[in-house]
This record gives sequence, structure tokens and C-alpha cells, in this order.
Amino acid sequence: NAGVTQTPKFQVLKTGQSMTLQCAQDMNHNSMYWYRQDPGMGLRLIYYSASEGTTDKGEVPNGYNVSRLNKREFSLRLESAAPSQTSVYFCASSEGRTPTTQYFGPGTRLTVL
Amino acid sequence: GNSVTQMEGPVTLSEEAFLTINCTYTATGYPSLFWYVQYPGEGLQLLLKATKADDKGSNKGFEATYRKETTSFHLEKGSVQVSDSAVYFCALSPQGAQKLVFGQGTRLTINP
Repeated sequence: NAGVTQTPKFQVLKTGQSMTLQCAQDMNHNSMYWYRQDPGMGLRLIYYSASEGTTDKGEVPNGYNVSRLNKREFSLRLESAAPSQTSVYFCASSEGRTPTTQYFGPGTRLTVL
Repeated sequence: GNSVTQMEGPVTLSEEAFLTINCTYTATGYPSLFWYVQYPGEGLQLLLKATKADDKGSNKGFEATYRKETTSFHLEKGSVQVSDSAVYFCALSPQGAQKLVFGQGTRLTINP
């Protein structure tokens, strides 16, 4: 049981390049989330998917798109990377009931030059 | 709106010292409250939670009590170990919602 996995672990991009961060969970969870973590700011929600086939914006969605490919997978795409998107990105999943208990992946450290 | 404010860090203690990390929140209704821990190079792990007023969450010697009258959820441990060195995040989940709102995190270092 791997839990939540993310690829890649590290990535360096140049301004304007695009990339997709991948996330998968094997816990049969309904809900999945993407966060970014910046120093002194905690984690901020980018997008989430309450169930397969649905996605919603979180607190900081600008510059990102998401795809809930199936129940297991939830990807985050940067179409034209900017230095302000340099951050650590975490994917999480939960059963989808409230109150939520979310399980996190190990993170992707992204640097945009 | 919903927000979480944590004690500023970093915090440095000696092994076996008593730990308190303060957390206060602003929310409407009855949120659920959480403490997550992040060890170096890893993702966040749930440490403990409380879902209603006066509930006490506990795990691995850590405790926190949901105090609605003071809108607080302070984390405590009676005797810390070097292995407790990590970043600790307080978070809330608004009533009826699946989202989490995080505090800024508190870095804890325990010296032997």
C-alpha cells in the first residue's frame, strides 16, 4: 500500500516552459487535492476534486490547470511557468467525508528560473 | 473568513523539555481542528484531530484540546525527544467542508 505518490520529486524549469505534476493514490479515496507550500505561508489549496469527474478552484488557482484522470489519478499542469510558481507542491487525498482527514504525498520541489 | 494563526517559530528546546505550540483560529460554525507534522524531506502526516468542542486529540504523547470559548487548539507534549524535531502545522476544516485551511507552520528543533 503506497498511499499517495507524486512524480517527479524535483524539477527545474525555465520561464515559459510547461509541465505536468502527477499524483496517484491507492486508498480508493474519492477526493484529491493540490497544495503549494511556500516559506512562512503554510500550505495553500490550488485545486481540488471532490469526486471523479469534478474539479474546483481553491485559494490560489491562477496559472494552473488540473485533470482528474480517474479515481486514482489527479494531475496538475503549469502551462507557462513563472518564477512565482517556484514552490513545493503536495498532493493529498481523502475519503470525501466530513470532517476530512487528508493523506499527503512526499511532494515535488519545483524551481522556475 | 476562515483562518489559522500559529505561534511564530522557530522553537528550540532541550530533550525532555515541555512543549507548547499555540494555535488559534477564526471560523464560522463548528470546524474540525487538526495538527499535522512534517519531518524533513517528507510530506505532512496527521498527528491528531478533534471534531467538536472540548474534545481532546492525542497521539505519540502529543495532546491538544478543542477550546471553542478561546478559539484555540494548542499542541502540548510533556517530554520531547530529538525525534520530534519537525515542522508542525495547525489546520481547520470548516463545518461541512472537505477543505483544510493551514497555519503557517512552526519549526521545532530538539537538542540532545
